[in-house]
Amino acid sequence: EIVLTQSPGTLSLSPGERATLSCRASQSVSSRYLAWYQQKPGQAPRLLIYGASSRATGIPDRFSGSGSGTDFTLTISRLEPEDFAVYYCQQYGNSPETFGQGTKVEIK
Amino acid sequence: QLQLQESGPGLVKPSETLSLTCTVSGGSISSSSYYWGWIRQPPGKGLEWIGSIYYSGSTSYNPSLKSRVTMSVDTSKNQFSLNLSSVTAADTAVYYCARQLRVFDYWGQGSLVTVSS
Repeated sequence: EIVLTQSPGTLSLSPGERATLSCRASQSVSSRYLAWYQQKPGQAPRLLIYGASSRATGIPDRFSGSGSGTDFTLTISRLEPEDFAVYYCQQYGNSPETFGQGTKVEIK
Repeated sequence: QLQLQESGPGLVKPSETLSLTCTVSGGSISSSSYYWGWIRQPPGKGLEWIGSIYYSGSTSYNPSLKSRVTMSVDTSKNQFSLNLSSVTAADTAVYYCARQLRVFDYWGQGSLVTVSS
């Protein structure tokens, strides 16, 4: 199975700052089948990005995804208070679908 | 608006079978485009895909759990279900059901299942 490693584990930033989250795969993710989810405490994950760079319905354009092969990035251009959460990447190009361990974006 | 709701016991004894049902409203489980999946999250940890089912009954399971997982679908009730046998404390988690079109785009709120005697 494809192992996804996210870094950093925790990102401490202030509102208005730029957040850059990394997701590295143990082998190439076919057809850029890489998604990003946001999860807040006590809530289910919410789909942000699919196909490595396509925003899901209703997702603000401050969220962007990029990358291919084994290296992918989620960028939040300017952090809003509601963006402080845990972010997970997921690959769905190979079964079993797998998730990264998460990056927590916390208020500095 | 599509909604998913998990239901089932919140406490299961070790070695017994965990059973959960997901009820879908605001859309048909028989839609030809979608699979319906289960994902779990142990307390304070990350997400693990358990398996997915198509309305026809076709299934795909995570190999790490395959020997203990059974999923089924009831199109007349717009529901799908998860059975996980021979549970241990390591199966304690929040269990989510979700709609899957490659990615998981609609999720239930989650159901905490604790395995304890």
